[in-house]
Amino acid sequence: DAMVIQNPRYQVTQFGKPVTLSCSQTLNHNVMYWYQQKSSQAPKLLFHYYDKDFNNEADTPDNFQSRRPNTSFCFLDIRSPGLGDAAMYLCATSDTQTRYEQYFGPGTRLTVT
Amino acid sequence: GQNIDQPTEMTATEGAIVQINCTYQTSGFNGLFWYQQHAGEAPTFLSYNVLDGLEEKGRFSSFLSRSKGYSYLLLKELQMKDSASYLCAVRRRNTGFQKLVFGTGTRLLVSP
Repeated sequence: DAMVIQNPRYQVTQFGKPVTLSCSQTLNHNVMYWYQQKSSQAPKLLFHYYDKDFNNEADTPDNFQSRRPNTSFCFLDIRSPGLGDAAMYLCATSDTQTRYEQYFGPGTRLTVT
Repeated sequence: GQNIDQPTEMTATEGAIVQINCTYQTSGFNGLFWYQQHAGEAPTFLSYNVLDGLEEKGRFSSFLSRSKGYSYLLLKELQMKDSASYLCAVRRRNTGFQKLVFGTGTRLLVSP
C-alpha cells in the first residue's frame, strides 16, 4: 500500500525539452515537498506547498516550477532541462497537525541527453 | 545559516556496533532526524530527537546534545542489509513547517 507515489521512476528527456514529474499521496498530508538529490549529495529542497501556498527556496532556479492542483497531487515542471539538472527528484509529504517526519516517495531519476 | 557535518564513509563487520556522528550549527534548532537511504531509493525515517538524551528503537538508537550541537546514530547487531547511507537532518524553528536541512550522509558498508 504505497503512500507516496512518484511517476515515472525513470525519465529521459532531451536538453531543453520540457519535462513534468508527478507525485501523488494517499496520506492526506497538507505539506508536499520536492527535493533534488545528485549523486553522493544531500537532498536539496527546491520548494514546498503548505496546503495551496507555494514556498520557493531562494536558490531554486526559475527553470523549476511546481503545481499542486489538489491535496493528493503535486507536479514538478522543468521548463528547459540542462545537463546539470540530471538528478534524482524526491517528493515528500508531512502533516503539520499530527506527525513530524517526512514521508518520501521512491523518487524519479531524470536523465538529460 | 546552517552547517551539518557527517563522516563520508564508514565500514563495519556484521554483528558489530557502529556509531555515526553528526554535528550541526544552526539557528533556531527544532529537532534532528536520522534517515536511512539505500542506493537508488528514497530516504526512510529512522529516528527523531528534539530533547537531549537517547532514543532507542530496536537495534537503532539516536542521541542528541543540543548544547554541543551533536547527535549520533548507534546501530547494534549489524546486518548486511544495514549497508546504506545514513542522513542526518535538522529542522529549524519557526519555519512554520517541517522544513529539513540534510547533511550529505554517511555511507556505511557492512562486511561479512
